[in-house]
Amino acid sequence: KAGVTQTPRYLIKTRGQQVTLSCSPISGHRSVSWYQQTPGQGLQFLFEYFSETQRNKGNFPGRFSGRQFSNSRSEMNVSTLELGDSALYLCASTLSGTGLSYEQYFGPGTRLTVT
Amino acid sequence: GDSVTQMEGPVTLSEEAFLTINCTYTATGYPSLFWYVQYPGEGLQLLLKATKADDKGSNKGFEATYRKETTSFHLEKGSVQVSDSAVYFCALSKTGNQFYFGTGTSLTVIP
Repeated sequence: KAGVTQTPRYLIKTRGQQVTLSCSPISGHRSVSWYQQTPGQGLQFLFEYFSETQRNKGNFPGRFSGRQFSNSRSEMNVSTLELGDSALYLCASTLSGTGLSYEQYFGPGTRLTVT
Repeated sequence: GDSVTQMEGPVTLSEEAFLTINCTYTATGYPSLFWYVQYPGEGLQLLLKATKADDKGSNKGFEATYRKETTSFHLEKGSVQVSDSAVYFCALSKTGNQFYFGTGTSLTVIP
């Protein structure tokens, strides 16, 4: 079974631009979560989508948004980029049955650099 | 709110030394507990998990026991190898699939 894939792997953007990152979960997984990883803040939860609906949300400004498609693929968008948005963005997928907690499977991440 | 606190790093050990990375949690209810490992340039990989009190998770020589009385889930390995050098994350999750991660502990094993 193929793992979680994220595209692109590396990205360089300029302040003020916007960016869209993509995540394809493991086949059959319906939940996709996004995290921002930085050396200073560690792993911070952005949001989680399940069946095309945002189910959980972390404490990030509205510039960070996401969506999920009917095939469970997910995208996250960051508008008006700031230097502090430079980070590794990780996507994780979960089987996510109702009322149960399953382990998350992570993709390799997208390294975003904002200049 | 729910949270995970893990031992500050970095940790440097000689090959074949004993490893302990401490992890404590704060959560209402009955969370599941996880250890993830991140090798350089890669995403996180699940190392082991425990879903209820007194459960012991184990994998690749690593072990951790879910201790509800001390709200802890310490990671241990009896004899580390150079290939164990990585960053280790403790995490908890409850129903609804919200995960909380610790800040990570960097481990370097020297020959």
